[in-house]
Amino acid sequence: ETGVTQSPTHLIKTRGQQVTLRCSSQSGHNTVSWYQQALGQGPQFIFQYYREEENGRGNFPPRFSGLQFPNYSSELNVNALELDDSALYLCASRRGTSGSQQETQYFGPGTRLLVL
Amino acid sequence: AQSVTQLDSQVPVFEEAPVELRCNYSSSVSVYLFWYVQYPNQGLQLLLKYLSGSTLVKGINGFEAEFNKSQTSFHLRKPSVHISDTAEYFCAVTAQGGSEKLVFGKGTKLTVNP
Repeated sequence: ETGVTQSPTHLIKTRGQQVTLRCSSQSGHNTVSWYQQALGQGPQFIFQYYREEENGRGNFPPRFSGLQFPNYSSELNVNALELDDSALYLCASRRGTSGSQQETQYFGPGTRLLVL
Repeated sequence: AQSVTQLDSQVPVFEEAPVELRCNYSSSVSVYLFWYVQYPNQGLQLLLKYLSGSTLVKGINGFEAEFNKSQTSFHLRKPSVHISDTAEYFCAVTAQGGSEKLVFGKGTKLTVNP
């Protein structure tokens, strides 16, 4: 039990639609990251938020965006869905200030998105 | 930039046998190293991490890993595995003082057979 929850657990969308995935972190975890895990692959970093501002981004297009809220919850939004967006989306949160990479990141169970 | 290579995509072993899951990384700067486990239909759970100090790191569930800077390796070991250790194992790296992101390998599927 990591204390990180994600919703929904599964989701089916069609190409071109928009989707919002949600993550709820432990109290005090002011840094949250989102990862995309395609089938048979390791997770890939999408972006990170610290104190409600994006402070790092991976190689993902702008149609991937996020929000972080003061109550330790966050969202991942994906516009104009493509077939290749089908994946498990994981959020991970941790304590500490920006740059406290040694702090353990706690992962949620993920949201499995299927784009048809 | 950092990269991680997990040399074996699948490792089958018998129960109570020892196992080693291999991980090599590439980085031009100092790194922190991690091993995560993923059970079916679940998220990632941290097994252990190397930050500094002793190169032998002990983690949960009887796992340990050894950091070898000269060989840029961080292999995971367990002296005696159980059926319940069947899962996907991911090695990950992050640059010290750099971008916050974890860079993961493609994973090693460990299957423990009775």
